[in-house]
Parts: sequence; structure tokens; C-alpha cells
Amino acid sequence: GQQVMQIPQYQHVQEGEDFTTYCNSSTTLSNIQWYKQRPGGHPVFLIQLVKSGEVKKQKRLTFQFGEAKKNSSLHITATQTTDVGTYFCAGPRGGGNKLTFGTGTQLKVEL
Amino acid sequence: DADVTQTPRNRITKTGKRIMLECSQTKGHDRMYWYRQDPGLGLRLIYYSFDVKDINKGEISDGYSVSRQAQAKFSLSLESAIPNQTALYFCATSDPRSTYGYTFGSGTRLTVV
Repeated sequence: GQQVMQIPQYQHVQEGEDFTTYCNSSTTLSNIQWYKQRPGGHPVFLIQLVKSGEVKKQKRLTFQFGEAKKNSSLHITATQTTDVGTYFCAGPRGGGNKLTFGTGTQLKVEL
Repeated sequence: DADVTQTPRNRITKTGKRIMLECSQTKGHDRMYWYRQDPGLGLRLIYYSFDVKDINKGEISDGYSVSRQAQAKFSLSLESAIPNQTALYFCATSDPRSTYGYTFGSGTRLTVV
């Protein structure tokens, strides 16, 4: 079945450093979504990308959808302690908007 | 009040016991989902429902059942809990007409001893 893998699984950075997480699907996706889960919290929707090669920005966060619509990335510029959490990508599987979630990348930011 | 409310927040139960996790939403969404989260495995789909009369199994439905009592309510049951069902459980809703993704509840942390 469809699988969505993310790398790295963990990332420790110093505050101010950049961070990137990569998401790869075994099948072509109609769209890709990104979520953030703070420690002890629940996943919160960040963004959806639909078009091949699409790039979207939210302040220091840059999201990309690959040309083949099988991979995506999330880049954070100049990380802050508020960026701490686990970032998940997710893509629809089958019909009806059921999402398959990636394994997640846990980001820790040290002062 | 939260858009998606899950109860209880935490629960410890014994092996073999039946337990129900409840989810209610005020989003007015038809689509509701139950996911399970385990460290390193992401979120895995247990069951989903696209309306009150529609219930579907997800990728890890064995050992679980659900009930969609109303548009706003979707309950998950463990008929006979076992220790490997210890996990964090999330309910979520979505609107297929929207570009906004899932709205998750705060989760239920279940421990089976």
C-alpha cells in the first residue's frame, strides 16, 4: 500500500540554524498536507500543496511540492524555540480524503 | 470550547476490559476519523466515517470497533483491551469542500496494563 516516509526522524539544532524535513511517497499524491504537533499536543494543520512544483511560504517556513508530486519538503529558516515539535506530512490515500501520515520529524531547538 | 472534544484525556485500564473513547465535534463536518499514534510510527488510521450511515475500516482496525451516533459524535471501542493497544488516540474531522486539512481533538492517552 501507499507509504509516506519522512527523514530525518530527529533533528537537534541550535537556535538560529535552519532546518529541513523531507517527505517521500511511494505513489503520486493529489496533494500534500503538513501538520505540526507541539510536545504533549495534537497535530495542527499548517498548509496544503496541490500543484506540481508548488512553493508556499508562511513567515520563516517554506513548503515545496515536488515536480512528480511524490515528494515534499518543509524548510524553517532561523529556527526559534517556538518551532519545537514534530512535523508530519500527509497525503490522501484511496478515495475520500483519508490521509496517510508520514512518520514525522521531531525537531528540538537548543539555545 | 474546542472544535473537537475527546474524552477521557487519560485512561488506564486492565487487560481484557472493554473501553470506549468518545469524540464530539462542533465543526459541522460529515467526515470523522480515528487515528492511533505510536512513537516512530506516525499516525495510523483505525476507522473513518463519511456520514452517519457510513463506517469504514482503516489500516489497523483489528481489535477496535466504532459507532457514529450522530453527525457530531464518533466513538471508538476496544472490546477487550490488550497491552499493545497502549497508545495516544486522536479523533479528527474534515470538510472535503475545504482546502483546510484535518481538525484534531486533544487526544486520549490510553494505557492497558
